[in-house]
Amino acid sequence: QVQLQESGPGLVKPSQTLSLTCTIFGDSIISGGYYWSWIRQLPGKGLEWIGYVYYNGNTYYNPSLKSRVTISVDTSRKQFSLRLTSVTAADTAVYYCAREGLAYNWFDPWGQGILVTVSS
Amino acid sequence: DIQLTQSPSFLSASVGDRVTITCRASQAISNYLAWYQQQPGKAPKLLIYAASTLYSGVPSRFSGSGSGTEFTLTISSLQPDDFATYFCQQLNSNPLTFGGGTTVETK
Repeated sequence: QVQLQESGPGLVKPSQTLSLTCTIFGDSIISGGYYWSWIRQLPGKGLEWIGYVYYNGNTYYNPSLKSRVTISVDTSRKQFSLRLTSVTAADTAVYYCAREGLAYNWFDPWGQGILVTVSS
Repeated sequence: DIQLTQSPSFLSASVGDRVTITCRASQAISNYLAWYQQQPGKAPKLLIYAASTLYSGVPSRFSGSGSGTEFTLTISSLQPDDFATYFCQQLNSNPLTFGGGTTVETK
């Protein structure tokens, strides 16, 4: 059974960089069968897709965040990571990592989520 | 970006009720739509993809239909575990987008 787990700081100061890591259990990241994605849920429930990384390092980012986002992959550690620069209070959210299908871009499974608060 | 509008935003229902949630897309997306269920404090879970294909392990009381711009999620007989928030997501084009959610609460 595939499981994903997010890790990283829960508090980030404004203007700094948010960095999160997702560790994959029970699946091979190099199988090439999926994208590996980050999604966030803003207060009041709205879901926003941030972007994905493929096992070979190819990425696609939501244009709304593209200038501030980097998603990378470490196949040896079975991890992929999110960096979001120049954060503001508007970036306060629960951040999820998820496996994304290739043919149909659904998300399953999701990590349990990590609340990141941007505050001084 | 493709906008998804869900209705209603909130729905009051009782165990055993038939529940229908609608998702409308701002442009045609064929059958490239998924539905998720989210319990409070938990991550969303995939219920249906390709508009009407039930994901593995999902109870058969859940069903999806639609194509183009209008889609529905139906719960044939609401169970206690089904009180939750439901989201649609379009799979048609990047950036992938979600509907605003429908919360099903106890009447």
